[in-house]
Amino acid sequence: DIQMTQSPPSLSASLGDKVTITCQASQNINKYIAWYQQKPGKAPRLLIRYTSTLESGTPSRFSGSGSGRDYSFSISNVESEDIASYYCLQYDNLPTFGGGTKLELK
Amino acid sequence: EVQLVESGGGLVQPGRSLKLSCAASGFTFSNYYMAWVRQAPKKGLEWVATISTSGSRTYYPDSVKGRFTISRDNAKSSLYLQMNSLKSEDTATYYCARHVATTYWYFDFWGPGTMVTVSS
Repeated sequence: DIQMTQSPPSLSASLGDKVTITCQASQNINKYIAWYQQKPGKAPRLLIRYTSTLESGTPSRFSGSGSGRDYSFSISNVESEDIASYYCLQYDNLPTFGGGTKLELK
Repeated sequence: EVQLVESGGGLVQPGRSLKLSCAASGFTFSNYYMAWVRQAPKKGLEWVATISTSGSRTYYPDSVKGRFTISRDNAKSSLYLQMNSLKSEDTATYYCARHVATTYWYFDFWGPGTMVTVSS
């Protein structure tokens, strides 16, 4: 099984900041990574697929990059509606999620 | 509009069984691989099971293999998860989710979830 190590587990940011979350896979996942946003009590929402492709409706302040084993997800100009938990998912093999990152307001 | 609605959650004793259902609408259910994903309280997401379009192929992580069975009824646009020999660590919200394609196994739509509590 492919393990996904996501960091940091939590993140504190001010409105307007840029934040970055990373996921490292236990092996090459060939850019098959997606990123999800989850707000309390809600189902996850797909934001990005295939490393950097934004889903319809995902604001342009969200971005993703990476290759091989190492991937990152960024939010530029954090807005209040971005306060949530974020998860990476690798789908190169049977799907596995990263442990999640909780984004809070400073 | 794609909709997935889970049902069947509740309180169950350790060692007992429970069957979850997911009603799908707004898309051609039989064309999509489907899955269950769970989330323990205050914890992260864990993929639990996937089923092919016809139901002939199923996939599980080691954590539930041999205890959980995923199935589907394409005529009823419904997905199921039979959970046997339940343990306290199976306590979670269970989400029904749609795989975006047969070859790309990320999830594009999710239901709101149903809570399963395993406790005596």
